Amino acid sequence: GQQLNQSPQSMFIQEGEDVSMNCTSSSIFNTWLWYKQDPGEGPVLLIALYKAGELTSNGRLTAQFGITRKDSFLNISASIPSDVGIYFCAGRIFGNEKLTFGTGTRLTIIP
Amino acid sequence: SAVISQKPSRDICQRGTSLTIQCQVDSQVTMMFWYRQQPGQSLTLIATANQGSEATYESGFVIDKFPISRPNLTFSTLTVSNMSPEDSSIYLCSVYREYNEQFFGPGTRLTVL
Repeated sequence: GQQLNQSPQSMFIQEGEDVSMNCTSSSIFNTWLWYKQDPGEGPVLLIALYKAGELTSNGRLTAQFGITRKDSFLNISASIPSDVGIYFCAGRIFGNEKLTFGTGTRLTIIP
Repeated sequence: SAVISQKPSRDICQRGTSLTIQCQVDSQVTMMFWYRQQPGQSLTLIATANQGSEATYESGFVIDKFPISRPNLTFSTLTVSNMSPEDSSIYLCSVYREYNEQFFGPGTRLTVL
């Protein structure tokens, strides 16, 4: 099935740095979601976006719904060790409850 | 959000056997889904579990291999049948409530020897 392209595939940063990642699609989506998955756990919902251009924050996390409806962005400010994990974007088409998932971005913090 | 539990949390099975995974939600939900996450990969939807009727399977997944039950609005099971090492994955239950988004269970880590 279709997957969304996430970039970068992996990131190695130092604690305190800001992080940016994005998710792109060839199709239009009406909902964009961002999840974080820790090792051995299920994905946890971080942010949900429902409107083109929408900018939503959750603590140090900020996500944006792209104007074209074909992309979304996630920023993490002042990274801390617990930010380590895999971040997945997911998109939903109007009228369809199923999600299409991105390929994931693995975040590692270098000591 | 919904509180979702899965049993078992992990298992090691012999090839040719079957394993049934249970998913329990703390409140009624509109939709329940089953996903597979192969090692190092993203999530792939196996099927939508429909209450009172047969599940709706995605391309590449069939009922004989992954039979699903959903007897009520808070419970579902996924069976992985006639397992082979290629079935080694994390299997995730997910629920959706309109206006309340989609949440995931903790997953079942399956290893097939």
